[in-house]
Amino acid sequence: ETGVTQTPRHLVMGMTNKKSLKCEQHLGHNAMYWYKQSAKKPLELMFVYNFKEQTENNSVPSRFSPECPNSSHLFLHLHTLQPEDSALYLCASSQGHWSGRAGNEQFFGPGTRLTVL
Amino acid sequence: AQSVTQLDSQVPVFEEAPVELRCNYSSSVSVYLFWYVQYPNQGLQLLLKYLSGSTLVKGINGFEAEFNKSQTSFHLRKPSVHISDTAEYFCAVRFSGGYQKVTFGTGTKLQVIP
Repeated sequence: ETGVTQTPRHLVMGMTNKKSLKCEQHLGHNAMYWYKQSAKKPLELMFVYNFKEQTENNSVPSRFSPECPNSSHLFLHLHTLQPEDSALYLCASSQGHWSGRAGNEQFFGPGTRLTVL
Repeated sequence: AQSVTQLDSQVPVFEEAPVELRCNYSSSVSVYLFWYVQYPNQGLQLLLKYLSGSTLVKGINGFEAEFNKSQTSFHLRKPSVHISDTAEYFCAVRFSGGYQKVTFGTGTKLQVIP
């Protein structure tokens, strides 16, 4: 595997289900991100992790719970979601800002298409 | 306030014609600028970036962009588009001091017409 991978690619769940999205990066990066991409809306940053520590939570509802066990893996645990949470969830990684290179670009995974019924 | 604007939500263009996708930003601090492309059912892929130096930046797939500080713009151009360029294009800005937080525009869908 190369780059950033995400599983599953598609997920359909009911409002009472609990599921998890997984992201893995094979780039040696130390920062990872979750984004939400909804139709006709800008890409929304949800969470940022640097060296496994959460450094940003962009006012995300508690029904979304991130977990970063190490610099290569990132999870997004989902429970009691709402239909408006249906979207494409993108994971990305980059070098951390402590590397001193503020212009480091983010590398994105293919996303998980989530549908909440 | 710091923001990124992509005025055109859709741009249709005939194959082999030139195209310009517009991006403007608002900021009181220095910026780092990026263009990403998203093909259907895929994640975002970096096309090019401006960090410093020459204001004309060349990227992959024949795209280029020019940073214009006075007009706070970073428009993306290609002299001759191909069918395979049909995709959605996102302008993104990292504001100095914003660590890894990148603000994305709403995207422009480029439709290349055969």
